Amino acid sequence: AQTVTQSQPEMSVQEAETVTLSCTYDTSESNYYLFWYKQPPSRQMILVIRQEAYKQQNATENRFSVNFQKAAKSFSLKISDSQLGDTAMYFCAFMKWGIGGADGLTFGKGTHLIIQP
Amino acid sequence: GAVVSQHPSWVICKSGTSVKIECRSLDFQATTMFWYRQFPKQSLMLMATSNEGSKATYEQGVEKDKFLINHASLTLSTLTVTSAHPEDSSFYICSARSRSDTDTQYFGPGTRLTVL
Repeated sequence: AQTVTQSQPEMSVQEAETVTLSCTYDTSESNYYLFWYKQPPSRQMILVIRQEAYKQQNATENRFSVNFQKAAKSFSLKISDSQLGDTAMYFCAFMKWGIGGADGLTFGKGTHLIIQP
Repeated sequence: GAVVSQHPSWVICKSGTSVKIECRSLDFQATTMFWYRQFPKQSLMLMATSNEGSKATYEQGVEKDKFLINHASLTLSTLTVTSAHPEDSSFYICSARSRSDTDTQYFGPGTRLTVL
């Protein structure tokens, strides 16, 4: 079984600042994906970014980028030029990939990110 | 594209009754759908995985007789909470994986269940 750990229950930064959310995971699997999901007050889960474990290059999506350290089993999310709309719960998630396809997601406990005006 | 809907968005029921929640993929065929549960201010926990036309696979600790899952078509999965009790009150979220993009799960908006 795999575990996902987010050690920061809450973070608060000023608008336009850069913030990094931490995530570590533990697994014995070799084929897997890692995700960051955002859950605003509406509770709709929104995919922020994903990383395939076999790729060495860190994924980026506009203001969002990850620092994927496979050996250390670390997967942090960096948000640049933070905006008020970034305020939300952020979940780090692990997905095993096998012959039958992808499994369900294992989520961390989440980090509540607050962007202050 | 890749829209998943859930119905109802919220439901209140009396203890002992059964409640059915629907999860539909609106613009793609979902070979696999997942059901998650989220308690207030907590994370999502995977309850079960359902593949079209076959029995659902439940996670350890999830009562399969209480949470009945049916995935009768490539666009619809249902979760029925049988003989609901107040402790079943929670936020239930489904996700769907398409045939063409098996690496990504698309989430529904969730259903808030309150059992009185």
